[in-house]
Amino acid sequence: VLTQSPGALSFSPGESATLSCRASQTIVKNYLAWYQQMPGRTPKLLIYGASTRAAGIPDRFSGSGSGTDFTLTINRLEPEDFAVYYCQKYGSSPPHTFGQGTKLE
Amino acid sequence: EMQLVESGGGTAQPGRSLRLSCSVSGFKFDDYFMYWVRQAPGKGLEWVSGVSWNGADPAYADSVKGRFTISRDNAKKSLYLQMNSLRPEDTALYYCAKQLPIEGLGLIDVWGQGTMVTVSA
Repeated sequence: VLTQSPGALSFSPGESATLSCRASQTIVKNYLAWYQQMPGRTPKLLIYGASTRAAGIPDRFSGSGSGTDFTLTINRLEPEDFAVYYCQKYGSSPPHTFGQGTKLE
Repeated sequence: EMQLVESGGGTAQPGRSLRLSCSVSGFKFDDYFMYWVRQAPGKGLEWVSGVSWNGADPAYADSVKGRFTISRDNAKKSLYLQMNSLRPEDTALYYCAKQLPIEGLGLIDVWGQGTMVTVSA
């Protein structure tokens, strides 16, 4: 089980936001990903391997953590960053569970 | 450009069946694991099922195990999800999704636009 907290966060453009994802068991090889979903859009992969940015993702987005505790940090928030963010456990053993999401508003 | 196009959604009564299809283009389909992910209205993402490049080793979420069957036809570049014994809680937008080509199954880099399934009497 992946638990994202809190369910929603309020910030202003230009600020920095830190989102949390906690796993009920150790995630092997830090196979933890973060996705962004804007309203009415499909999810977009931001981070994989806990800290590797996906292609085309700006360096304002960074991931960290290991074991059971992971963090997504977004610096210098821009208007388009206000979306829902999901963490996901991936790797060789399905199910590849998603967290319940954190809405950045 | 890689594209995934889902079809087959609609409204079904509880206990009935639906078959979703996903037609792909723009990449070598039979090189990749593929997945179905769903999203209930106003809710989060739920990983549903996945299948290897050759159709072997299908995997399912506990919530659909025994009711849903994933399959693929590499010659037709298509992914399928047979959904039987549908329940109201299966109501969701169903996305077809492609594996990112790096180590670590379940990591998704391309999503379809989704097909809506509504289960209601």
